Amino acid sequence: GENVEQHPSTLSVQEGDSAVIKCTYSDSASNYFPWYKQELGKRPQLIIDIRSNVGEKKDQRIAVTLNKTAKHFSLHITETQPEDSAVYFCAASKGGKLIFGQGTELSVKP
Amino acid sequence: EAQVTQNPRYLITVTGKKLTVTCSQNMNHEYMSWYRQDPGLGLRQIYYSMNVEVTDKGDVPEGYKVSRKEKRNFPLILESPSPNQTSLYFCASSFLAGGTDTQYFGPGTRLTVL
Repeated sequence: GENVEQHPSTLSVQEGDSAVIKCTYSDSASNYFPWYKQELGKRPQLIIDIRSNVGEKKDQRIAVTLNKTAKHFSLHITETQPEDSAVYFCAASKGGKLIFGQGTELSVKP
Repeated sequence: EAQVTQNPRYLITVTGKKLTVTCSQNMNHEYMSWYRQDPGLGLRQIYYSMNVEVTDKGDVPEGYKVSRKEKRNFPLILESPSPNQTSLYFCASSFLAGGTDTQYFGPGTRLTVL
């Protein structure tokens, strides 16, 4: 079945710097790749997603890139702010099944 | 208000005592799913449903049952809970039947099995 690996598990950056989180997946038939942000004690919330027919998608300070050949996708956050501190999860989906990565705890220091 | 609700929010029970966690959404979503969240393991899908009366196993279905008799409800049943099912459980729903759009998560149910 599908397996999603996410790196790094923790990431600490200075406010204003960029942050990059990477995920790899194993099933080439996966066709939908969302990213969720979970603040402490809260429920996960979608921040951006990308489908397999698109290579890149951007929404203000957040962007996601997908390399289908290499089976990896990445989340890029520019001009980080303290409120970006949270756990971020990538996921890969096929036919209703959704497999999440293990999560990355991002800390943005003022 | 559009939302996903779960009940109870907290539950402490004992091994073997059957329990049900309810999940309801008022957004007329086709897709519903259950996840468990454990430290270091992220979110793992238990079961999902793409339509009424249609359910499928996720990554970790053992020890759980679900049903989808109505579009808005998707209860999670633990017939004989064990301590390894102690976890934080989230229900989620999305508009598209395949779940390939925004999933809206419920507030979570923290379950402890003694």
